[in-house]
Amino acid sequence: AQRVTQPEKLLSVFKGAPVELKCNYSYSGSPELFWYVQYSRQRLQLLLRHISRESIKGFTADLNKGETSFHLKKPFAQEEDSAMYYCALGFGEKLVFGTGTRLLVSP
Amino acid sequence: DAGVTQSPTHLIKTRGQQVTLRCSPKSGHDTVSWYQQALGQGPQFIFQYYEEEERQRGNFPDRFSGHQFPNYSSELNVNALLLGDSALYLCASSLAGGGKSYNEQFFGPGTRLTVL
Repeated sequence: AQRVTQPEKLLSVFKGAPVELKCNYSYSGSPELFWYVQYSRQRLQLLLRHISRESIKGFTADLNKGETSFHLKKPFAQEEDSAMYYCALGFGEKLVFGTGTRLLVSP
Repeated sequence: DAGVTQSPTHLIKTRGQQVTLRCSPKSGHDTVSWYQQALGQGPQFIFQYYEEEERQRGNFPDRFSGHQFPNYSSELNVNALLLGDSALYLCASSLAGGGKSYNEQFFGPGTRLTVL
């Protein structure tokens, strides 16, 4: 079965510190992976997708098929990065989401 | 463009009742997906509608049904409500592209359903 695991419910860092939000997936096919973000009082929105290989707001994520991981990284966290982050697997016409990690960046 | 809109914002029902939630997709989008997000969980896929047909369904009972109208708006109906149906219901719209390429889904603000 398709599954996405985000082991950390909460990640708390200081401004300027590196951030890594972990995501592991299980899927036998060729995965399409995404990171969605939800800022306070805003709707869920796409942050980045692995196929784009782009950096958004300083965040990057590399698909590691050997480790079945798609960790989200940022070298220097900012206070405005505080939000709920969801890793998601695109399967057919649907998204399978992890349980999310709340990132809290303190000044 | 207001993006994806959902109504109502909040809803309180009692067990056994029926509820209808509504969604209007982003302008230009023709596909609507529904997700259930329980407290502390990620969104779970319920089903997707395209060309007024249910195209794919998640692991939800038949009490959950939907409809898509010719203007691409959609409704989610839940019958015989249970306490466990209390959740945030999210609607997402996208533009069908065919094939296996994934099309970005744009989410609405959600409808908070409380079942007492």
